[in-house]
Amino acid sequence: DTGVSQNPRHKITKRGQNVTFRCDPISEHNRLYWYRQTLGQGPEFLTYFQNEAQLEKSRLLSDRFSAERPKGSFSTLEIQRTEQGDSAMYLCASSTLAGGPRSEQYFGPGTRLTVT
Amino acid sequence: AQTVTQSQPEMSVQEAETVTLSCTYDTSENNYYLFWYKQPPSRQMILVIRQEAYKQQNATENRFSVNFQKAAKSFSLKISDSQLGDTAMYFCAFPGSGGSNYKLTFGKGTLLTVNP
Repeated sequence: DTGVSQNPRHKITKRGQNVTFRCDPISEHNRLYWYRQTLGQGPEFLTYFQNEAQLEKSRLLSDRFSAERPKGSFSTLEIQRTEQGDSAMYLCASSTLAGGPRSEQYFGPGTRLTVT
Repeated sequence: AQTVTQSQPEMSVQEAETVTLSCTYDTSENNYYLFWYKQPPSRQMILVIRQEAYKQQNATENRFSVNFQKAAKSFSLKISDSQLGDTAMYFCAFPGSGGSNYKLTFGKGTLLTVNP
């Protein structure tokens, strides 16, 4: 297994357009997370899946954002009607269910979104 | 709400020397975990070291060790024999409490540059 992968790695879009990002976690990992990282900041939690169930969404995730994880495998994050403030690195991570809060989260390389 | 503070935005060290990165946090929990993650330039974030709060012994992973002061809510990372490959952003991270113990709160990070 090659780790967590994310596609695309870079996305440039015009304000108002919709974009979709994909994350492929490590295959045996039940838990999947999305974070957003802006310049000079640490990652901020956006949402969390356990298998196919989305168990938490941050207040940061406005109604324009939606995430899915069909069949508990890959996940997609869609942003509708993008705004310049959405420009950021979107990070996906996965971990096992066993181990609880001590579990290491494995991060993907991120998708860098630029909204012009 | 739990907070994580990294007060050193940037640090530099000469190759082979030792450097300490600081982190303080705030929580009302008694038993928890703390993490240091490393984000090299244009590469994905990886776990460096983790500490369990109920363990008095400081965690060590090869050249990386922590100084965990529970009463002071301080969790610093010491890197011995610094190498050029240690150049990266370093983030202190802290899981949520109770039912939200899966999501990490990150500090703003410290950019460490190792000079030859």
